Amino acid sequence: GNSVTQMEGPVTLSEEAFLTINCTYTATGYPSLFWYVQYPGEGLQLLLKATKADDKGSNKGFEATYRKETTSFHLEKGSVQVSDSAVYFCALCVTGGSYIPTFGRGTSLIVHP
Amino acid sequence: DGGITQSPKYLFRKEGQNVTLSCEQNLNHDAMYWYRQDPGQGLRLIYYSQIVNDFQKGDIAEGYSVSREKKESFPLTVTSAQKNPTAFYLCASSMGHPNTGELFFGEGSRLTVL
Repeated sequence: GNSVTQMEGPVTLSEEAFLTINCTYTATGYPSLFWYVQYPGEGLQLLLKATKADDKGSNKGFEATYRKETTSFHLEKGSVQVSDSAVYFCALCVTGGSYIPTFGRGTSLIVHP
Repeated sequence: DGGITQSPKYLFRKEGQNVTLSCEQNLNHDAMYWYRQDPGQGLRLIYYSQIVNDFQKGDIAEGYSVSREKKESFPLTVTSAQKNPTAFYLCASSMGHPNTGELFFGEGSRLTVL
């Protein structure tokens, strides 16, 4: 089956620190990979995505590279801000299958001034 | 602006009562989903529908019911059979064809059982 494993949080950083949130996956078939962000009390929003191996998704200073050889899609940002405090979800969707996304459990990020 | 609207944002229920959460989308998406979110547990799929008049159980369908009479609407009923209904409920939609797997979410509905 399909599964997504994320590092457990919370991740606590000072402003301007470097961020990495690890995400690994198992999938039957060829998945597209996603990072979603959830701010307190809100729904999820797509942050970035990658649809094939070696693709790099990027948005708002965040980046993630689709690594097929290591089945990973780690989220990175060079300098976090207080406003980046949120919960981040890694997800996959196997195209050509049921198209039901599989989500990780989410990683809470707390950024202090 | 296109999007997904969930209502109500907050809802309180007495034990033994059924409640219905509304989800409407104007994105012309074929597929719609309901997720439940509890602290530290991520998202769990309750029901999904890929076309009108058809829906499938997700991982935790017991105690819930849905209907999909219109493409735009996918209401969720939390029945009295759901033993622990207090949670944050999220509705989402995605394109049917081509389906990129990307989900668009509503703002969520927080249900509290008193």
